[in-house]
Amino acid sequence: KQEVTQIPAALSVPEGENLVLNCSFTDSAIYNLQWFRQDPGKGLTSLLLIQSSQREQTSGRLNASLDKSSGRSTLYIAASQPGDSATYLCAAENPDRGSTLGRLYFGRGTQLTVWP
Amino acid sequence: DAGVIQSPRHEVTEMGQEVTLRCKPISGHDYLFWYRQTMMRGLELLIYFNNNVPIDDSGMPEDRFSAKMPNASFSTLKIQPSEPRDSAVYFCASTNHGRTDTQYFGPGTRLTVL
Repeated sequence: KQEVTQIPAALSVPEGENLVLNCSFTDSAIYNLQWFRQDPGKGLTSLLLIQSSQREQTSGRLNASLDKSSGRSTLYIAASQPGDSATYLCAAENPDRGSTLGRLYFGRGTQLTVWP
Repeated sequence: DAGVIQSPRHEVTEMGQEVTLRCKPISGHDYLFWYRQTMMRGLELLIYFNNNVPIDDSGMPEDRFSAKMPNASFSTLKIQPSEPRDSAVYFCASTNHGRTDTQYFGPGTRLTVL
């Protein structure tokens, strides 16, 4: 069974800093690796999806990389802002028996606080 | 589009009562997922449907949990009887096809069983 681990569990930084969130997974037979954002009391919002054949994806100040062979992904946030404060979850999508759709396995998340 | 809609947003009930959570997926999406999030176990997949048919219910914790999808625009997750350890946030998510698209999550239902 896929296991996804995120480090650190919590991170507090001043506004303007560049930061890196780490994600590792045990089963490299993934379809893709996804990063989500969760705000308190709300659902998850997809940020970036990296296909297994890709190395990275970028969206604005966010850049996610994938090293499938080592079972690692990183989310890089440039010039952090207070509005970036949220919990960031990574999820690995692996093949699921009996279906062409994969199954998402989530990490516990990194709770990010960006203070002014 | 209004996104994935879940109701109720909050539910407080007493142990032994029946609880029904509801979900309306995004129109046109053919996969629907039910997840549970707790501090102890994180986010776990309970069950998912494809074209209204349950595909994988291996995450359903026990027989007290059941899920249905009578049509493409509605799904329910029922707990009967409820127990305090069922207290969690339950999310519904949907997607429109295969593994090239992400899942879109609803706002969740926070369930508290006293």
